[in-house]
Amino acid sequence: EPEVTQTPSHQVTQMGQEVILRCVPISNHLYFYWYRQILGQKVEFLVSFYNNEISEKSEIFDDQFSVERPDGSNFTLKIRSTKLEDSAMYFCASSPLSNYGYTFGSGTRLTVV
Amino acid sequence: LAKTTQPISMDSYEGQEVNITCSHNNIATNDYITWYQQFPSQGPRFIIQGYKTKVTNEVASLFIPADRKSSTLSLPRVSLSDTAVYYCLVGPKAGNTPLVFGKGTRLSVIA
Repeated sequence: EPEVTQTPSHQVTQMGQEVILRCVPISNHLYFYWYRQILGQKVEFLVSFYNNEISEKSEIFDDQFSVERPDGSNFTLKIRSTKLEDSAMYFCASSPLSNYGYTFGSGTRLTVV
Repeated sequence: LAKTTQPISMDSYEGQEVNITCSHNNIATNDYITWYQQFPSQGPRFIIQGYKTKVTNEVASLFIPADRKSSTLSLPRVSLSDTAVYYCLVGPKAGNTPLVFGKGTRLSVIA
């Protein structure tokens, strides 16, 4: 079964540092997403990406966040200057059609110290 | 987006059928109902999606009454490995509106 691959699985970074979270979506999927989940809380939408541009973004996705699809396979989330409250599990997802059958990756646990 | 209401938690013994009901009174005409499962420290996993009546796959069944104001996810003969959080989501199948996760239902399966 095709998978969404995320790297690294764990990332510890100091406050104020930049981090890049990487994702390889399923190859024939067209829609890509980032969600995050703070420990014990809901899965929160960050951003959706289609046709090489952002389709939607939430209030969480402020100027400190950016996404990029630098080549035909990778989809990255960059946090420019991390804050303690950015500590969370970050999930990448992709889907063949919008809002249908998202496949999520296993996540990157980001810890900001 | 239609708001959904699910029980916060449920307990079940192994081998039993589990039914989790979700209320979505404000569902729109073009909205679909989708269920996801999430294990600890993993991403949500798509289980099933439907629009009306009944949908069945190898994992679960989804029952949707004619008025579509609620839906029931049915898990046949649960095992310990079905212990997870189950999310009911309602939204259009196509378009730019992303899926919004609620708090879900935490199902605990007991031996």
